[in-house]
Amino acid sequence: NAGVIQTPRHKVTGKGQEATLWCEPISGHSAVFWYRQTIVQGLEFLTYFRNQAPIDDSGMPKERFSAQMPNQSHSTLKIQSTQPQDSAVYLCASSLRQNTLYFGAGTRLSVL
Amino acid sequence: GEQVEQLPSILRVQEGSSASINCSYEDSASNYFPWYKQEPGENPKLIIDIRSNMERKQIQELIVLLDKKAKRFSLHITDTQPGDSAMYFCAASDRNNAGAKLTFGGGTRLTVRP
Repeated sequence: NAGVIQTPRHKVTGKGQEATLWCEPISGHSAVFWYRQTIVQGLEFLTYFRNQAPIDDSGMPKERFSAQMPNQSHSTLKIQSTQPQDSAVYLCASSLRQNTLYFGAGTRLSVL
Repeated sequence: GEQVEQLPSILRVQEGSSASINCSYEDSASNYFPWYKQEPGENPKLIIDIRSNMERKQIQELIVLLDKKAKRFSLHITDTQPGDSAMYFCAASDRNNAGAKLTFGGGTRLTVRP
């Protein structure tokens, strides 16, 4: 079991460019979560899917952030027109039961 | 939505002593309270959790206490070791099955001095 796989590990974009982050959950896990981690804000919930259906996106900045889960083996988080304040580590996690989240290694996004 | 406050944000203790981290939550419907440990450069990993039908749980040197009336829960690490140095996050959730989101506290950076 390779755990939750996130790619790329690091991404550098220029201000105004688009960034797409990928997540492959643990096989068989029914829920996929996206969190953003910064020193100032800590671990912020963004959105989650259960059985591929979007359940709660209350943490997503509405205008530029979007997330998809086209199949059970991967999810994407897309940020359009990236801004310096989007710089963070974006963590994907999956869970099977009882709320235990298994986090991936994260994607460190740097917006210059 | 749920809000979780975690204190202290920084904690330094001497090896062999105890370390305590406290969290409070707002939503009385929350019924699941996990603790995650994040070592430098690593992802957060679950170390212990407690559900609302319990007041105390212990796994080796880790003790979690839950006071539902006060909406507070805490992590106590007894006999701390340098390997316990890490970021610790508490969290709360209002569902007891797969797929309920966790709301995390702001984190505590624990340093155990040899």
